[in-house]
This record gives sequence, structure tokens and C-alpha cells, in this order.
Amino acid sequence: KNEVEQSPQNLTAQEGEFITINCSYSVGISALHWLQQHPGGGIVSLFMLSSGKKKHGRLIATINIQEKHSSLHITASHPRDSAVYICAAKRSQETSGSRLTFGEGTQLTVNP
Amino acid sequence: KAGVTQTPRYLIKTRGQQVTLSCSPISGHRSVSWYQQTPGQGLQFLFEYFSETQRNKGNFPGRFSGRQFSNSRSEMNVSTLELGDSALYLCASSSYRDGYTFGSGTRLTVV
Repeated sequence: KNEVEQSPQNLTAQEGEFITINCSYSVGISALHWLQQHPGGGIVSLFMLSSGKKKHGRLIATINIQEKHSSLHITASHPRDSAVYICAAKRSQETSGSRLTFGEGTQLTVNP
Repeated sequence: KAGVTQTPRYLIKTRGQQVTLSCSPISGHRSVSWYQQTPGQGLQFLFEYFSETQRNKGNFPGRFSGRQFSNSRSEMNVSTLELGDSALYLCASSSYRDGYTFGSGTRLTVV
């Protein structure tokens, strides 16, 4: 069992739909990151969470530390949101350093 | 401010050769970490450097090495290349305040 698991692996939506991607982790973490990767490889960091909820435009990320679960929501989805979304955990036993453990990613396709 | 710059963007090497990849972090970021991405294994942590010292290392063979210079620029080296080393290699610079910023990656093909 992977330390960081995402679901679903693939997601197809119609433009305008509300989208949720889930991430569960089995280790103690100091922070959880949501990343976006477009074709071609470049990765953009969307959110860094240690508790609660963050919002940026149409994107919302939440984390429940007790349940070891995080969600990424996209409201009013658009074809330009089509990308791979990856959650990544920084383990809490590492008091320093930038070692991330990644989920397998969710391929999101938003059709017009 | 300028982002993370990785060079080269694409590289084709022959089995047995060695390769050096470069990463220039965001100004002021002292931490640089390296990751390998393959279709089969996904993203995996290689190593992290902070102030010219390796601070963390992933589970990769000794053929994979790196270093960091006093200006925080980092290089990673892979010796005796194998076909399975074909991958996208990403670096990220980070700070406590800014979080992570990733480069565009170097796509290495070993033939």
C-alpha cells in the first residue's frame, strides 16, 4: 500500500461541473501539497496545506489531519483545467528537508 | 522573480554514458530537491541539497549523485546510464515561506 493514495485515477467532466479529487495518506505529515502537471511536464504548485482550507480562484483545497485526508475541489470546471493533479506529502518526522512522497496522480479531462 | 531553470530540456544519451543535469533555483532559495518521473513509478524523490550539503536521499543507486554550489545552483549526475533511467527529471527549489517551485524538467532518453 502506497503511503499517499489518490482517487480517482482518471476523471472526465463536462465544462462547468464541480470536481473533487481525493488524497489519503498513511504517515504523519507536516504539510500536504497539491500540484498540477500539464502535458510537457511542467509542474505548478497549487496549494500547501497543514490544516483547514485554502482557496485560490476556482480551486479549493481542504485537509482533515485526524482522518489523514485531503481534497482538491474545482468549481465551474473549464477545459483549461485539464491536467494531472498530484498530491504530495512531507512527512512530519523529518524536521528539516524537502523530501516529498507523491500520489499516483489524477488525470482530469474537462470537455467543452 | 525568475523561476526555476533546468537545462537542458531534452537529452538523448547512449547506454553506458554519463549525464549531468543543471538546476538554477529561485533567488534566495537555498533548498534544491530532485525528482524522477517515469510512467511506471510516477514521481520519486532522488535527493535534496541545502547550503551545499545533501540533506536527504531517496532510494536510488549510487550511480545517481548530485551537488550544490555556493550560489545554490545544483547539478545531478547519472553515471553508466541504463535504459531504465529514461525519465523526466524535475528539480524544485523551496523555502519555508514560498513552498515549492518546480522547474520544467529535463527529459532524458537513453538508447
